[in-house]
Amino acid sequence: KNQVEQSPQSLIILEGKNCTLQCNYTVSPFSNLRWYKQDTGRGPVSLTIMTFSENTKSNGRYTATLDADTKQSSLHITASQLSDSASYICVVSARQDSSYKLIFGSGTRLLVRP
Amino acid sequence: DTGVSQNPRHKITKRGQNVTFRCDPISEHNRLYWYRQTLGQGPEFLTYFQNEAQLEKSRLLSDRFSAERPKGSFSTLEIQRTEQGDSAMYLCASSLGQGIYDEQFFGPGTRLTVL
Repeated sequence: KNQVEQSPQSLIILEGKNCTLQCNYTVSPFSNLRWYKQDTGRGPVSLTIMTFSENTKSNGRYTATLDADTKQSSLHITASQLSDSASYICVVSARQDSSYKLIFGSGTRLLVRP
Repeated sequence: DTGVSQNPRHKITKRGQNVTFRCDPISEHNRLYWYRQTLGQGPEFLTYFQNEAQLEKSRLLSDRFSAERPKGSFSTLEIQRTEQGDSAMYLCASSLGQGIYDEQFFGPGTRLTVL
């Protein structure tokens, strides 16, 4: 069964600190992995997209890593800001016939405190 | 604003009533998706369209749910005889439908509360 699991479920950090969110997946056939940021009451917004041949990708203070062998990914946030408070969702794309199906994790809820 | 838009943003209804949501995708996007998201969970796929054709429906989409995209542009999602379990955020997304990097852009969602 295709699954995406994220940890921790929630995290509280102080402004300016770094943090790392984890994602493990069992999805086949794997196409790519994405991290989305979802603010409360809003739709998800894409942060990074990586295929199996890419093991790291950055977007400003966000750096995602991918280990296709162990089927793990992480999202590292550097020098956190209050605006980073949101849910971060790991999404894995699986090839399905002629299209691609997205499998979503449950997300990690991050709260950045001043 | 050229992003995905959804209306209404919030809907409160009584159990048993019908509701309809609208999604306007990014204009040049061929694919349109509907998802449902409950509190603390990631979005769950409901259905998607390639232009006006509905190509896939999830088992989550019971007979009370129907989606249309009559002219391949905007889409509507109707829920008949709503139940309290239908309370959720309904998200719409659109994409160009090209290649493995086919990025889906999400709308702000419609939050449904069934009393």
